[in-house]
Amino acid sequence: GAVVSQHPSRVICKSGTSVKIECRSLDFQATTMFWYRQFPKQSLMLMATSNEGSKATYEQGVEKDKFLINHASLTLSTLTVTSAHPEDSSFYICSALTDVYEQYFGPGTRLTVT
Amino acid sequence: EDQVTQSPEALRLQEGESSSLNCSYTVSGLRGLFWYRQDPGKGPEFLFTLYSAGEEKEKERLKATLTKKESFLHITAPKPEDSATYLCAVQDSGTSYGKLTFGQGTILTVHP
Repeated sequence: GAVVSQHPSRVICKSGTSVKIECRSLDFQATTMFWYRQFPKQSLMLMATSNEGSKATYEQGVEKDKFLINHASLTLSTLTVTSAHPEDSSFYICSALTDVYEQYFGPGTRLTVT
Repeated sequence: EDQVTQSPEALRLQEGESSSLNCSYTVSGLRGLFWYRQDPGKGPEFLFTLYSAGEEKEKERLKATLTKKESFLHITAPKPEDSATYLCAVQDSGTSYGKLTFGQGTILTVHP
C-alpha cells in the first residue's frame, strides 16, 4: 500500500508561537492531500483540502489565517498552526489521495500547546 | 448531505468469537466506500475499498461486503491484535477531490 509520513510525531510549543507539521507521500505523487483534526474518542474532522500549486480549501468554521496550508510539491504538504493556543492542542492527521481516489493516512502529530 | 452511521459503537468479543460491524450510509452517488482500522494514537490504516453493491473483499480474518444502503465488516475468529477502532467512510461521486465522510467508528475489543 501507499505510504504517507508525518513529521514531527509529537510537538510541544508555548502559547503564541507557531508550529509547522509536514506531510509527505513517500512512494507516490499526490495532487491532493487532506488535513484532519481528531479529538479524544471522536472521529476525524476534516479541516482542509490541499491541492498542489493552488490555495487550500477550508471547511466551514476552520480559520484559514490560523491554519496555514502549503502544498508546494506533489509529495509534500505542510500545516502551520500560527499563534497557537492551548485550545489548538489536538491530534492532527494528514492523508494523501492516490490516482484511484484512495486516501492513505499519515501516522499523526500530537500537538500540545502550553 | 452524505451521512454514515456505524453500529455498534463498541463491541467486545472473546477470542475466536466471530461477529460483524455495520456501516449504514446515504449518499447521492457512491464513488467508493472505505474501511480503515485505527489504533490508539495512530493514523487510520487503509483496509478496503468497495465500489458497487454485491462486491466483497477479504484480508486475513476480515471480509467487507457492500449493499446499496450498508456495508458489513465481518471478523472471523478474531484475535486480541484485531482490537482497534474500525472506521467506515464514503466518497461521493459528486464531490471534488475525493473527500470522505466518516462514521463515528466502532471500537472493537477482543479478549484472550
